[in-house]
Amino acid sequence: EVQLLESGGGLVQPGGSLRLSCAASGLTFSNSGMSWVRQAPGQGLEWVSAISDGAGDTYYADSVKGRFTISRDNSNNTLYLLMNSLKAEDTAIYYCARPARGVWGQGTMVTVSS
Amino acid sequence: DIVMTQTPLSLSVTPGQPASISCKSSQSLLHSDGKTYLYWYLQKPGQPPQLLIYEVSNRFSGVPDGFSGSGSGTDFTLKISRVDAEDVGVYYCMQSLQLPYTFGQGTKLEIK
Repeated sequence: EVQLLESGGGLVQPGGSLRLSCAASGLTFSNSGMSWVRQAPGQGLEWVSAISDGAGDTYYADSVKGRFTISRDNSNNTLYLLMNSLKAEDTAIYYCARPARGVWGQGTMVTVSS
Repeated sequence: DIVMTQTPLSLSVTPGQPASISCKSSQSLLHSDGKTYLYWYLQKPGQPPQLLIYEVSNRFSGVPDGFSGSGSGTDFTLKISRVDAEDVGVYYCMQSLQLPYTFGQGTKLEIK
């Protein structure tokens, strides 16, 4: 069974930083492109970032470009999202996912507030 | 970016009756490989989204056959043959033809 387990969410002040992690199991992680998708409270789904299987290619939504960095450690089956210069509008549940494969974690909540 | 537009945004259905949701994309989702990269998700309250349909009309593992998807190009439809209480939640269409992946606004289904 494929499992994705996010961690690292929490309360952070505007302008602060946070690093999310996603531990993957039950799949050949090193052959899997991965994404982060977020959902603000009461809102819809927004794709945030993606990384190719070998980490050679990374992609970002315009809303986070220059502030967020996606990375991965294939030796430890872990995906990361480093979030800098956080804004109130980044408040959301962040899901680690393979959206086109129907694989999602349970999500981790990030709250940006003073 | 490809814009995904769903209608209606809310739906109230009597148990046992059918339901239908439309999704239109701002450009064709047909890839040169012959596949069309349109997906349907259901998000139940407090849960992550769960995949129902992939590539327009293929039911994902474990999805009841009461769910069906159809369409081509830019126009797509999700149908539920007989709605029951388990089907309550928000339905999203999503395209993965190109990054950024984009989602429809969501259609909230409730039971009358």
